[in-house]
This record gives sequence, structure tokens and C-alpha cells, in this order.
Amino acid sequence: NAGVTQTPKFRVLKTGQSMTLLCAQDMNHEYMYWYRQDPGMGLRLIHYSVGEGTTAKGEVPDGYNVSRLKKQNFLLGLESAAPSQTSVYFCASSQLAGGLYEQYFGPGTRLTVT
Amino acid sequence: GNSVTQMEGPVTLSEEAFLTINCTYTATGYPSLFWYVQYPGEGLQLLLKATKADDKGSNKGFEATYRKETTSFHLEKGSVQVSDSAVYFCALTSAGGTSYGKLTFGQGTILTVHP
Repeated sequence: NAGVTQTPKFRVLKTGQSMTLLCAQDMNHEYMYWYRQDPGMGLRLIHYSVGEGTTAKGEVPDGYNVSRLKKQNFLLGLESAAPSQTSVYFCASSQLAGGLYEQYFGPGTRLTVT
Repeated sequence: GNSVTQMEGPVTLSEEAFLTINCTYTATGYPSLFWYVQYPGEGLQLLLKATKADDKGSNKGFEATYRKETTSFHLEKGSVQVSDSAVYFCALTSAGGTSYGKLTFGQGTILTVHP
């Protein structure tokens, strides 16, 4: 049981390049989330999904797209990377149990855009 | 909208000292409250949680009590260890099914414990 895994762990992009971050979970969770972590700002929600084939915008969605074609995978895409997207990206998944959503986080992807 | 405010850091303590990290929140209704911990180079792990007023969450010697009257969820530990050095995040999720568990985080507090 690997929990939540993220690929890649590190990446350096030039401005204008594109890339996709992959998140996978093996807990059969319905809900998945992408957050970014910036110094002094905590984590902020980019996009989330409430089930296979669904996606929705979070607090800071601009410049990102997502897809959830399979229940276990949640992809985050950057079509044209900008230096402002330099950050650490965390994926999480959760399931409603006992009236509570408990999120499980992946190890993160550190992205640098030059 | 929801918001979470944590005390400014970083916090530096000696081993066996008492720890308090303040957290206050703004939300409608009765949100669920969480403390997450992030060790260096790792993702976030749930440390403790509380779902209703006066609930006390506890884990690994850490405690926090859900105070509705002061909208607070302060983290405490009676005797910290060097291994507690990490970043601590207070977070909440709104009550109700349409929240879908979306978390609102505080800015994080860096804790360093010296031997």
C-alpha cells in the first residue's frame, strides 16, 4: 500500500515550457486535490476532483489544468510555465468517513521555472 | 470565506520545553479542525483533529482543543524533543457535504528544537 505517490520529485523548466505532474493513489479514494506550497503562505488549493471524470477550480487555478480520467490518477498540467509557478506541489486524496474528510498527502514535487 | 491564522514563527526551543503554537480561524458553522506536520523534505502528515466544539485532539504528546467561543485551536506539547523539529500547519474544512474536504491552511510555523 503506497498511499499517495507523485511523479516527478524535482523538475526544472524554462519559461514557456509545458509539463504534467502525475499523482496516483491506491486507497480507492473518491476525492483528490492539488495544492501549491509557497514560503509564508501555507498550502493553497489549485484544483480538486470529487470523482472520476470530474474536476473543479480551487483558490489559485490560473495557469493550470487538470484531468481525472481514472479514479486513481489526478494529473496537473502547466501549458506555459512562468517563474511565478516555481513552488512545491502537493497532491492529496481523501474519502468521507464518519462525517470527516481526512486527507492523505504525497511527498511533493519541487518545480523551478527559470 | 474561510481563513486560518497561525502565530508568527519561527519558534526555537530547548529540548523538554513547553510548546504552544496559536491558531485562530474564521468560518461559518462548525468546521473540522486539523493540525498537520511536515518534516524536512517530506509531505504533510495529519497530527491531530477535532470535529466539534470542546473536542480535544491528541497524538504523540501533542494536544489541541476546539474552542468555538474563541474560534481557536492552539497546539500544545508539554515537553518537546529534537525530533519534533518540523513545520506545523493549522487547517480547517467546512462542515457540510459540498465542502468535499477542501482544506484551508494557515501559513505554517517552523519549530526548531535544540538539544
